[in-house]
Amino acid sequence: NSKVIQTPRYLVKGQGQKAKMRCIPEKGHPVVFWYQQNKNNEFKFLINFQNQEVLQQIDMTEKRFSAECPSNSPCSLEIQSSEAGDSALYLCASRQGRNTEVFFGKGTRLTVV
Amino acid sequence: QQKVQQSPESLTVSEGAMASLNCTFSDGTSNNFRWYRQHSAKGLEVLVSIFSDGEKEEGRFTAHLNRANLHVSLHIREPQPSDSAVYLCAVSMISGTYQRFGTGTKLQVVP
Repeated sequence: NSKVIQTPRYLVKGQGQKAKMRCIPEKGHPVVFWYQQNKNNEFKFLINFQNQEVLQQIDMTEKRFSAECPSNSPCSLEIQSSEAGDSALYLCASRQGRNTEVFFGKGTRLTVV
Repeated sequence: QQKVQQSPESLTVSEGAMASLNCTFSDGTSNNFRWYRQHSAKGLEVLVSIFSDGEKEEGRFTAHLNRANLHVSLHIREPQPSDSAVYLCAVSMISGTYQRFGTGTKLQVVP
């Protein structure tokens, strides 16, 4: 069973507001991923980290999205100015190494009204 | 750009009958494939991971990979109503980092 903890489970924000969600990866997992799953079940990779360093990120995250994984603190994903199109399930996942299993949290469901 | 497509979009089977789900991908050099199940309350649960052509069984779940045909399938033996969920196929490179997902097959198992 996955021990990736995401908070909050649900988040409601008005357009233009800041939205922040957190993720505690499984203990001993230095690699963390963030994905966005929209209402059509389309997954979009956003960013991933190894320890505190960004490994890969898509262009979208370089604008309104920011993320970090500080040492000894939860990882976080923040949307600076939420838009209706940001409404989605945001999933955090972690793994121990390159060829090891990936474990997902239950996600944060963001609704932008 | 890797494209991952799943079929059918939805599937209804009777309890105890075999359920078969399909996934095609566009990049033949991919070599890391996973099937996940997504319950709304439980999040994503990995069912089977497969890295080479052939078959991999995990309990009632069996994955078949044929990279030449760009195809990976999942077969669920003796499905139960509790197996009703969305099943997702994910593809990546072992040397890469993130997975590309299909849009899922919604499985309903009826008594």
